[in-house]
Amino acid sequence: DTAVSQTPKYLVTQMGNDKSIKCEQNLGHDTMYWYKQDSKKFLKIMFSYNNKELIINETVPNRFSPKSPDKAHLNLHINSLELGDSAVYFCASTQGGARNEQFFGPGTRLTVL
Amino acid sequence: GQNIDQPTEMTATEGAIVQINCTYQTSGFNGLFWYQQHAGEAPTFLSYNVLDGLEEKGRFSSFLSRSKGYSYLLLKELQMKDSASYLCAVYSGGYQKVTFGTGTKLQVIP
Repeated sequence: DTAVSQTPKYLVTQMGNDKSIKCEQNLGHDTMYWYKQDSKKFLKIMFSYNNKELIINETVPNRFSPKSPDKAHLNLHINSLELGDSAVYFCASTQGGARNEQFFGPGTRLTVL
Repeated sequence: GQNIDQPTEMTATEGAIVQINCTYQTSGFNGLFWYQQHAGEAPTFLSYNVLDGLEEKGRFSSFLSRSKGYSYLLLKELQMKDSASYLCAVYSGGYQKVTFGTGTKLQVIP
């Protein structure tokens, strides 16, 4: 049973395109996150949702728009993709807040050409 | 703001002990996590320290000193499969946010 799943695993696209990454967790957790991990392996938080409500937005460009249709899903839509968006994007979930262990999805490797 | 420092890379021998240090500066400290990340994979949870002292979990132990803003991860009886990046992460403030350090890439050699 997959705990946190992401699709797609790989995404190669041209500059200027719009793309979406989907995340689902079947752990019953109430908090979900999106992280960006760049080529230097620095894992940086982008967004956090708690019970479908946005609670963290780390000064991410407006081109990035998260959506949480329910507490088991957190999707990430990116408009007008730029070269600097190339990275691995990880979704994660936790129950009861950031004091608890986070479970990460397998990651989506985005390459913008 | 927050500042989390870890060595970039370390090398250790199979069967040996290695200590990976993490120093942090933050306000409203709540706790410190260690995660392991193998190349091409997702981070996985190792430990969470809230109080000062050493917590042992099998071959891995984690230490925290809140007054010094310092933590370390101790790996004993190193195995080749321990080659990975080790991420120190701080939970602070009232928000549901954990800030990660840049990670320490550990290479275990025969």
